This record gives sequence, structure tokens and C-alpha cells, in this order.
Amino acid sequence: NAGVMQNPRHLVRRRGQEARLRCSPVKGHSHVYWYRQLPEEGLKFMVYLQKENIIDESGMPKERFSAEFPKEGPSILRIQQVVRGDSAAYFCASSPRIGRPSDTEAFFGQGTRLTVV
Amino acid sequence: DAKTTQPNSMESNEEEPVHLPCNHSTISGTDYIHWYRQLPSQGPEYVIHGLTSNVNNRMASLAIAEDRKSSTLILHRATLRDAAVYYCILRDVKSGGSNYKLTFGKGTLLTVNP
Repeated sequence: NAGVMQNPRHLVRRRGQEARLRCSPVKGHSHVYWYRQLPEEGLKFMVYLQKENIIDESGMPKERFSAEFPKEGPSILRIQQVVRGDSAAYFCASSPRIGRPSDTEAFFGQGTRLTVV
Repeated sequence: DAKTTQPNSMESNEEEPVHLPCNHSTISGTDYIHWYRQLPSQGPEYVIHGLTSNVNNRMASLAIAEDRKSSTLILHRATLRDAAVYYCILRDVKSGGSNYKLTFGKGTLLTVNP
């Protein structure tokens, strides 16, 4: 039973480049969440997606960041024109379709550690 | 949103029980109490959750105060692999709203001594 798979585990980008982070949820899960953990800080919610829909992107920076969860394939978090402040660990989580969110555990991936040089 | 308060750090010895406290004095009647932990360089991992009654699973036990203003995560026999940051999180059971979000505080850093 594969859990949430994130790749790459580590990503180095130069300032101004694009970063694409991938997340494959647990098989059968249709709810995907992205969180960011800045160095020495707690995890912060970024975005919640269901298949082909963005449900809540209130935690996403207004510019340069976008997320998608297509009908087929993994969820993608895309950061354009990266800056040093984007260096962080990005975690994806998924939860099953059945059940209330407040009563259902979220399964997290191991994260992608982005370093902007 | 109701908030939680946890000690910044705790220390334990291997093979001994650990009691990790969490205060949530403003908890509402519809808030579930969830615990997650994050091992070094890993993503968060679900530990346990409950509403009013004490809960047990293979990882831990959750003791919830009668007034629900506090709870305690109990690791019955700490191992070195239990060294992690433990987060106590409230999630509203009401449908709608943004109860799908997990609001992580700073958590408690548990150190387990051999």
C-alpha cells in the first residue's frame, strides 16, 4: 500500500527558475492538500484541491504560486520565478473521499525540500 | 479558531511512559482533538484523535479531561523512534467551513534518552 508519494525529495533551483513539485495521493483519495514549512517554523496550509477543482487557496501567495490536481496524474505545485524566500519544505497530504474532514486523518508525504540558490 | 497550548519541549527516558499535555481552554463542543507527530526530516504522521472519551490505538492513548479544556497524549513505553515534534490540533466536526485545514502550532519537541 503506497502512501502519499512526493517527488523530488530535494530540489535545487536558481533564483528566477521554475519549481514543479509533484504529489501522488494515496490510491482512492480525492482530497489533496499542500502545506509549507519554512525553516524553524510550523507547517502552514497553502491549498486544498479535489480532482480538477481548487477548493481553498487562501494560504497560497497571490503571485508566482499555482496548484492543480488533474483528472489523471499527480497534483502539481508550481512556483514560478523562485526567490530565496521560497526555500522551504513542501508537504502534500491526502484524505479519503468518504468521511468528514474533521473526523478523518490526513496522510502526509515525506515532502520536497526546495533550496533556492 | 480555538487554540492549543503545548510545552515547547519535553524529555523522557527510553522504555518509560511519556505524558504530553495540551491545553485548549476555548475548545468548542464540536471540536475534535487530533494529535500528529513529525519525525526529523519526515512529513507529519497521524497519531490519534478523540472527541470526549479516552481513546486507545496501537501507537498511543489519548486522555481527555471531563471539561475537555485539556488533553494528554500518552506514549506507554517511549522508544528512540518516538523522538519527534508532537502537535495537538483542534478540528471542528461541523460540516462546511474550513475544517479540512490542519492548523499546526509549534508543538512539543520530545527528546528520548537511551
